[in-house]
Amino acid sequence: RKEVEQDPGPFNVPEGATVAFNCTYSNSASQSFFWYRQDCRKEPKLLMSVYSSGNEDGRFTAQLNRASQYISLLIRDSKLSDSATYLCVVSRTGGFKTIFGAGTRLFVKA
Amino acid sequence: EAGVTQFPSHSVIEKGQTVTLRCDPISGHDNLYWYRRVMGKEIKFLLHFVKESKQDESGMPNNRFLAERTGGTYSTLKVQPAELEDSGVYFCASSQVRRGGDEQFFGPGTRLTVL
Repeated sequence: RKEVEQDPGPFNVPEGATVAFNCTYSNSASQSFFWYRQDCRKEPKLLMSVYSSGNEDGRFTAQLNRASQYISLLIRDSKLSDSATYLCVVSRTGGFKTIFGAGTRLFVKA
Repeated sequence: EAGVTQFPSHSVIEKGQTVTLRCDPISGHDNLYWYRRVMGKEIKFLLHFVKESKQDESGMPNNRFLAERTGGTYSTLKVQPAELEDSGVYFCASSQVRRGGDEQFFGPGTRLTVL
């Protein structure tokens, strides 16, 4: 079993739709959680950190459920420019030994 | 502020040759990471430097890979001798540890092809 698991998708949604991604992690020692976005043949870019209390940044909301060991990302009012692969990233204590999920592919269509 | 830079952007070499990849982190970032993405797979951690010291090199595939970070600034990753399965994209990332987590900034990657 992979340490970080994501549904690979693809998710095909129309513009304006709300879409949610989940990610599960198996190591209960994990301390830090992030969502990164990766465009085709580009490097990953940090989208947002995920805090225990949940956090929101514009159209993006991230949640963490430590008891069930999953994190989620909600995108509201999807834009064409949101089309990308979304990577769930988990770090152990101190932020070291970062583990990446395989990513969830999102296509937003006009 | 300049981001993480990597050189070269592409490298095509033959099996058995040596290749050295370079990463220049964001100025002032003590943490430097190397990752690799093999086609069709997830990004995998290779190793982590704190300044010039190797904090964790548990992800290095074998002893054909050697990473250095002399002086705690830029880092090099040498593959010697290269094998076919070493092909992939090698990313470097850097961060400054902050409360609440380690937000890493990635370079554009080096695409390595071993023929």
